[in-house]
Amino acid sequence: EPEVTQTPSHQVTQMGQEVILRCVPISNHLYFYWYRQILGQKVEFLVSFYNNEISEKSEIFDDQFSVERPDGSNFTLKIRSTKLEDSAMYFCASSQGTSDQPQHFGDGTRLSIL
Amino acid sequence: RKEVEQDPGPFNVPEGATVAFNCTYSNSASQSFFWYRQDCRKEPKLLMSVYSSGNEDGRFTAQLNRASQYISLLIRDSKLSDSATYLCVVNGAGGSYIPTFGRGTSLIVHP
Repeated sequence: EPEVTQTPSHQVTQMGQEVILRCVPISNHLYFYWYRQILGQKVEFLVSFYNNEISEKSEIFDDQFSVERPDGSNFTLKIRSTKLEDSAMYFCASSQGTSDQPQHFGDGTRLSIL
Repeated sequence: RKEVEQDPGPFNVPEGATVAFNCTYSNSASQSFFWYRQDCRKEPKLLMSVYSSGNEDGRFTAQLNRASQYISLLIRDSKLSDSATYLCVVNGAGGSYIPTFGRGTSLIVHP
């Protein structure tokens, strides 16, 4: 069964540094998403991406964040000037369609800011 | 009122029991609904979509009640492997296409 893959599985970074989290969505999916889950809290939507542009973003997704699809397979989340509170699991997901289609999640990147 | 609400539990049931969870949502214009399960420190995995007429997949039954704005998940003949957190996901809960997750309901199935 095709799956969403994410790298790295764990990223440890000093506060103030920039990180790039990488995702390879399922190949025939058209919609891509990033979520975060702070330990013990619920999954929170960050951003959705379609046709090479952001289609929706939450209040969390401010100027510190950016997304890119640099080639035909990768989908990246960049976090600039990381803060301690950015420590969380970051999940990438993809789907064939929008609201009526289920999303398939990668196994996440655990981001630890020191 | 929170957009998507779930009883956090935990629901502690013996093997073979039937257990049901509800999830309420605030926006009547919400468009689609899903149940996911999440094991500790793992990614959410799709369990089933929830259709207006209700749907069943083996031991799992999902229902939607638009009038009362809730969805439900029924698990029959619980297995030890069903122990997990069950996440309710509502698309359009906040008035857009943004998917909103509930905090999840914890299920513990014991021998």
